[in-house]
Amino acid sequence: GQSLEQPSEVTAVEGAIVQINCTYQTSGFYGLSWYQQHDGGAPTFLSYNALDGLEETGRFSSFLSRSDSYGYLLLQELQMKDSASYFCAVSLGSTPLVFGKGTRLSVIA
Amino acid sequence: DTGVSQNPRHKITKRGQNVTFRCDPISEHNRLYWYRQTLGQGPEFLTYFQNEAQLEKSRLLSDRFSAERPKGSFSTLEIQRTEQGDSAMYLCASSPPDRDPSYGYTFGSGTRLTVV
Repeated sequence: GQSLEQPSEVTAVEGAIVQINCTYQTSGFYGLSWYQQHDGGAPTFLSYNALDGLEETGRFSSFLSRSDSYGYLLLQELQMKDSASYFCAVSLGSTPLVFGKGTRLSVIA
Repeated sequence: DTGVSQNPRHKITKRGQNVTFRCDPISEHNRLYWYRQTLGQGPEFLTYFQNEAQLEKSRLLSDRFSAERPKGSFSTLEIQRTEQGDSAMYLCASSPPDRDPSYGYTFGSGTRLTVV
């Protein structure tokens, strides 16, 4: 089976940097994705890592270490609108994504 | 392109009734996925299609759940004899034909089902 672990809640101050970690245990692994979901909204794709290292997209970066079965999402210059749930998800090849339970990020003034 | 469209947005039904949800994916996406999401949890995979072929249905929650994609375009998810435990958000997503996961999935806004 597959399991993904991420913190259930994180709180950070506006303008600061926050890191959301994800560890996974899977049989077969192709890559790690991150999705953002605002309350009542659809999950939206943020990033994907297939290789070790850091991928940067604007204020968001995502990191993967395949040897450690670990990744993280880094959000910089936090804004109030970043308050949302963030999900890591593993790709196991052609089979559909398996999602973690999500991390609820609260950005405070 | 209007994205992935799901209808209805909300559905309230009495226990024991049948319900059907519709998903219209992005037109050039040949893969379509159904997920279920309960409060405070991540999306839970149910089933998916490549064109009209249903490639995985063992994860459907019970034999009361069924899905179709008859012409490889829109899809329907039906729940028969609904139970209160079926109350959840039902999400549909689609992805491009090259299956490159770096493109990600595009999700619809979901259908929120409440069984009373």
